[in-house]
Amino acid sequence: QSVLTQPPSVSGAPGQRVTISCTGSSSNIGAGYDVYWYQQFPGTAPKLLIYGDSNRPSGVPDRFSASKSGTSASLAITGLQTEDEADYYCQSYDSSLSGSIFGGGTKLTVL
Amino acid sequence: EVLLVESGGGLVQPGRSLRLSCAASGFTFDDYAMHWVRQAPGKGLEWVSGISWHSGKIDYADSVKGRFTISRDNAKNSLYLQMNSLRAEDTALYYCAKGSSYGPGNNYFDYWGQGTLVTVSS
Repeated sequence: QSVLTQPPSVSGAPGQRVTISCTGSSSNIGAGYDVYWYQQFPGTAPKLLIYGDSNRPSGVPDRFSASKSGTSASLAITGLQTEDEADYYCQSYDSSLSGSIFGGGTKLTVL
Repeated sequence: EVLLVESGGGLVQPGRSLRLSCAASGFTFDDYAMHWVRQAPGKGLEWVSGISWHSGKIDYADSVKGRFTISRDNAKNSLYLQMNSLRAEDTALYYCAKGSSYGPGNNYFDYWGQGTLVTVSS
C-alpha cells in the first residue's frame, strides 16, 4: 500500500487527453512538499518528467503538464501518442516518514 | 554526461549480506545528495535510502531501517549500500539516483543508473 495513491491504469486514444491523479495526505502533498513525476518504459530506468509540481526538464514535450491542489496532484498528457504508453509514477516527501515516497504507479495504455 | 553505474547485485541467501556500489561521473558528486531506489519484479518504485552531500544527514525507509546502511566516498565519486539480514522481500532491481539538492529530503531524482538486480532466495 503506497502512501501516495494513483489509479493502476488509464487509457486513451491517440490525440486525446488523459489525466493521472496522485492523492496524498497532510504529511506530504498537503504539507506543501513538491510533487514530481516520472515516466518508465519496460526494462528501462525511470525518467524525470516533472519537477517542482509543474516544471518540465528540457526535452520533455509540453504535451505533459502537472498541477497540485490540497493533498492531491495530477499529471495531464494532451495529444496522446503511442509512444506515451508507459508507467507513470508520482513522488513527494513525507515529513512523518522522514523520507521520499512514491505512488504505486499508473500504466497508460494508448488504444 | 551524467553517468551512474551500479554493481554488486546477485543471488544471496536469506539472512546473508550484500554490498552495492554506484560509480558516478559527469557532475560534481559532492555537491548533491544521492539515493537508492528499488523496484521489485513487476512492482512499483520504492525509495530505500538517501544521504546528504557530506554524509551528515541520512534517511531510510522503514522497511530497511536497522538492516541497510548507506554511505558515500566523495573522493571516489561512489555511493554504497550495505544490506544485511536480507529477506525475500528485498528482491528487487536497485537503482542509484542523483538527488536534486545537497540534502536528502524533498529531492527529486534527475538521473538514474540502470540498476543492479538483487535476488534473495535459498
